[in-house]
Amino acid sequence: DQQVKQNSPSLSVQEGRISILNCDYTNSMFDYFLWYKKYPAEGPTFLISISSIKDKNEDGRFTVFLNKSAKHLSLHIVPSQPGDSAVYFCAATNFGNEKLTFGTGTRLTIIP
Amino acid sequence: DTAVSQTPKYLVTQMGNDKSIKCEQNLGHDTMYWYKQDSKKFLKIMFSYNNKELIINETVPNRFSPKSPDKAHLNLHINSLELGDSAVYFCASSHWGLASEGDTQYFGPGTRLTVL
Repeated sequence: DQQVKQNSPSLSVQEGRISILNCDYTNSMFDYFLWYKKYPAEGPTFLISISSIKDKNEDGRFTVFLNKSAKHLSLHIVPSQPGDSAVYFCAATNFGNEKLTFGTGTRLTIIP
Repeated sequence: DTAVSQTPKYLVTQMGNDKSIKCEQNLGHDTMYWYKQDSKKFLKIMFSYNNKELIINETVPNRFSPKSPDKAHLNLHINSLELGDSAVYFCASSHWGLASEGDTQYFGPGTRLTVL
């Protein structure tokens, strides 16, 4: 049972435009959500997170939006840069729990 | 200044062999993990250890045996390797539990295991 889903396996965006990556979850007990970025032959690196008491969290060019009623979150990258080309994983858990449940990732390609 | 390191990076072996993957973290974390990323790119937790004690065991076959000699190390030993064990294995570490926003797990670079 896949509790965290990223339905778009890939996304191409022009440099300078907005990239929007989506993630859906089914477990209503999740209250903490994270985005990781992964380059080839490297491990995932933490990008940004959001707790369920918020609906938006921003860090520089990266903003994560959470819609609890829809069990949906999205990552916005503005403006997109070539170095943003990577696989992005959404993950979810409960606060105090060390078990992360990951989506299958979205490969983002930024076109110069 | 590597935070989470794994060795080897690549491992190619025959079915039936026994192999180990080593992981070390220098972040002072008390919790370490092993994840498996299969051919479908699912990244799934296998084990977690807190202060050398096993906390999570996600119904992994008992051919897989993690060993934590101290808080900074978590090794993965795999007996009688099977074709289906081919995957990328990631080690990770964190402080115990994810207690506040910004808390995260830090991942190693992965070990690509190929069983022939």
